[in-house]
Amino acid sequence: RKEVEQDPGPFNVPEGATVAFNCTYSNSASQSFFWYRQDCRKEPKLLMSVYSSGNEDGRFTAQLNRASQYISLLIRDSKLSDSATYLCVVSDYGQNFVFGPGTRLSVLP
Amino acid sequence: DTEVTQTPKHLVMGMTNKKSLKCEQHMGHRAMYWYKQKAKKPPELMFVYSYEKLSINESVPSRFSPECPNSSLLNLHLHALQPEDSALYLCASSQDPRGWGDSYEQYFGPGTRLTVT
Repeated sequence: RKEVEQDPGPFNVPEGATVAFNCTYSNSASQSFFWYRQDCRKEPKLLMSVYSSGNEDGRFTAQLNRASQYISLLIRDSKLSDSATYLCVVSDYGQNFVFGPGTRLSVLP
Repeated sequence: DTEVTQTPKHLVMGMTNKKSLKCEQHMGHRAMYWYKQKAKKPPELMFVYSYEKLSINESVPSRFSPECPNSSLLNLHLHALQPEDSALYLCASSQDPRGWGDSYEQYFGPGTRLTVT
């Protein structure tokens, strides 16, 4: 079983749609969780950290369920510029970082 | 300013060459990382430097040799590489490996696209 798994994708959604990404991790000792986005041939960019209480940043909402070892990212009112690969990242105490395989999103006009 | 710079942007080298990749950050971050990313795959962690000391080496072949001359700089020395080592090499930094939460947020440089011929 892979350490971090994500929806295989790709997701093709119309502008304005709500889209949800799911991620599961196998290491119960994991402490820190992040969502990154990566555009084609560019570096990953931090979207948000994920906290147990859940957190929201504009149209983006992240949730963490430690008991189920599950992380989610919700994008509301999707824009063309949201098209990218979304990467779930899990870390122990800030040393070892494991990336999920990523889910590609295409927002269509 | 969350900026990590990397040079060169592109590098083509033969299997007998020796070259170095450079990474720099001026955010006062105390952890720096090297990742390798192949096409259509996620980044894979290679090395972690914490307070200028190597803390993680993910079983990387010795033809890759990292160096952290000071808290702002990270180098990756390359020697006798193979064609399968062709990839995007990403450098990242985070605030404080001894902290928690936000201090682990990593910021990536634009990467060096390496081709080994």
